[in-house]
Formats: sequence, C-alpha cells, structure tokens
Amino acid sequence: DAGVTQSPTHLIKTRGQHVTLRCSPISGHKSVSWYQQVLGQGPQFIFQYYEKEERGRGNFPDRFSARQFPNYSSELNVNALLLGDSALYLCASSLAGSGTEAFFGQGTRLTVV
Amino acid sequence: QQQVKQSPQSLIVQKGGISIINCAYENTAFDYFPWYQQFPGKGPALLIAIRPDVSEKKEGRFTISFNKSAKQFSLHIMDSQPGDSATYFCAARRAGNNRKLIWGLGTSLGVNP
Repeated sequence: DAGVTQSPTHLIKTRGQHVTLRCSPISGHKSVSWYQQVLGQGPQFIFQYYEKEERGRGNFPDRFSARQFPNYSSELNVNALLLGDSALYLCASSLAGSGTEAFFGQGTRLTVV
Repeated sequence: QQQVKQSPQSLIVQKGGISIINCAYENTAFDYFPWYQQFPGKGPALLIAIRPDVSEKKEGRFTISFNKSAKQFSLHIMDSQPGDSATYFCAARRAGNNRKLIWGLGTSLGVNP
C-alpha cells in the first residue's frame, strides 16, 4: 500500500528560477496540504486543497501557488526563487478536508543557490 | 508569534528512562493535538494524537497528557530506546474550515544506549 509520494526527492535551483514539486496522496485521500520546513524548525503551512479547491492558505507570498488535479494529486509551484526558499517541502494527505489524520510524504529537499 | 510553544529544545535520556516533552498553546480554537516523530531526511510520522475532551491517551510506550484549563499537553515516552532518537513535534489543528496544523519548534531527543 503506497503512502504519500513526492517527487523529486532533491532539487537544486538557481535564484530567480521557478520550480514545480509534485505529490501523490494515499489512494482514497482527497485532501492534500503543503508545508515548508526550514532546517531546525517545525513545518509551516502553505496550502490545503480538498476536492480540487483551495481550502486554506498560509502566510506565504504570491510566488507560491498550488493546484490539485482530478486524481487528487497536487503540484506546488514557486516562482522567482530566493535563497530563503531553500527548505524541505512536505506534502500531507488526509481522507477528507476536516477531522482526519494527516500523513506526510518524505518531502522534497529544495536548495536554491 | 509562536502559537504552540514546545520545550525542551533538546533532551538526552538513558535507555529505559522516561522522556517528557511539553507543549503549550494559546488559541482555544484548536480541536486536535497530534505528536509527530521525524527522523533525519524523512517526513514527519504521526505518533499519537488527542482531542481536548480527553485528559490522557496511551498507545504502547507513548502517552499524551492533556490539561485543557492550563492549555498544555505533553508526550511521555516510557522505557525510552535508542531507536526513539529523533525530533518530536507537537502540533495543534484549528477547528473550522481551514484545518491547518500549527507546529511547535521541535525537540531533539537522544537516547543513550
């Protein structure tokens, strides 16, 4: 039984570039959330999607965007990368939009140089 | 402003000892309090969780104690093992439509053999 899968696992980008991170939730899960985890800190909420609609947005600039597809997979896009965007990006899936446990993927380690 | 405050930042215990990690929250609109365990290079894994209508929950060697009036909750790891060495995060989830998790800053636990 596959858990939450994220791709790629590691990525190096140059300042000013854009990046797309991908997430496939657990089969049957309809909600996907994205978090940013800077080294040595707890994850910070970026977005939540449920049934392809945005349900929540964290305190991140408009350079960050996301979407959810009909198969419930999701993409996180970051434009005009800054050095400070270097972090572990985590995707979490849950069965529904509320009241259920969140299961995390292993994350995408993004390094901006 | 840190809505979930976690302590200590780091902890070292001997094998077989009890590890205790504390969290305090400020917002009474939280309705779910999970603990996550994270190993280096991996995403957080849900360890145990509690709702505010319960004062204690035990699963194996892991126990959550919850004090609603004090807005505090803690994780106790009994008979700590070297394999428990990891970073532990407490979190709190908002009630309502935006179900984002608010995380503590984490506790790095080391268990000496």
